[in-house]
Amino acid sequence: DVKVTQSSRYLVKRTGEKVFLECVQDMDHENMFWYRQDPGLGLRLIYFSYDVKMKEKGDIPEGYSVSREKKERFSLILESASTNQTSMYLCASSLIAGDLGETQYFGPGTRLLVL
Amino acid sequence: KNQVEQSPQSLIILEGKNCTLQCNYTVSPFSNLRWYKQDTGRGPVSLTIMTFSENTKSNGRYTATLDADTKQSSLHITASQLSDSASYICVVSLGGEPYKYIFGTGTRLKVLA
Repeated sequence: DVKVTQSSRYLVKRTGEKVFLECVQDMDHENMFWYRQDPGLGLRLIYFSYDVKMKEKGDIPEGYSVSREKKERFSLILESASTNQTSMYLCASSLIAGDLGETQYFGPGTRLLVL
Repeated sequence: KNQVEQSPQSLIILEGKNCTLQCNYTVSPFSNLRWYKQDTGRGPVSLTIMTFSENTKSNGRYTATLDADTKQSSLHITASQLSDSASYICVVSLGGEPYKYIFGTGTRLKVLA
């Protein structure tokens, strides 16, 4: 079974703090994704990576950066947390591109509260 | 604009009953459509994936249909169980953009004993 783990289930941070969210997958997947999920909105893509050290902006990259130094690990960084970044953050991975019908596997999510 | 709309937003049914969730999309070009189940506080889990040429796919008590002409999909749940209580999310992939997924906002299903 594919396993995608996220470093924290719940996180509380203060405005202006630098926040690191870690995601690890154990199935040697090429692609990894970071989404945020807010009530009443569909999942929105922040960044994705299709290979080590490669990253592409998604729909809402502002205020975020990412790092992929190893294939199994994809980190999301909030450079200076703001209250409007309070959200559920979901990491996903997939073996090949979604255009070919490959399933995304999601982690359990990190619920971030910025005070 | 590429969009995925789901209805109803929420649904309450009694255990043992059947239900059908709807998904309409205006995504073009279309590649494939997925249904995910998301339990409260958890990440989504894939139920089915359908490509353009498939019009029905089952996974246990879950049956998804796809009408590519009308750009509609449905997820039918048979003999519902308490564990079916979750949000169900419809996701469409854009053809030619392999990393682009358009997510619906989900239908929240509550199954009562």
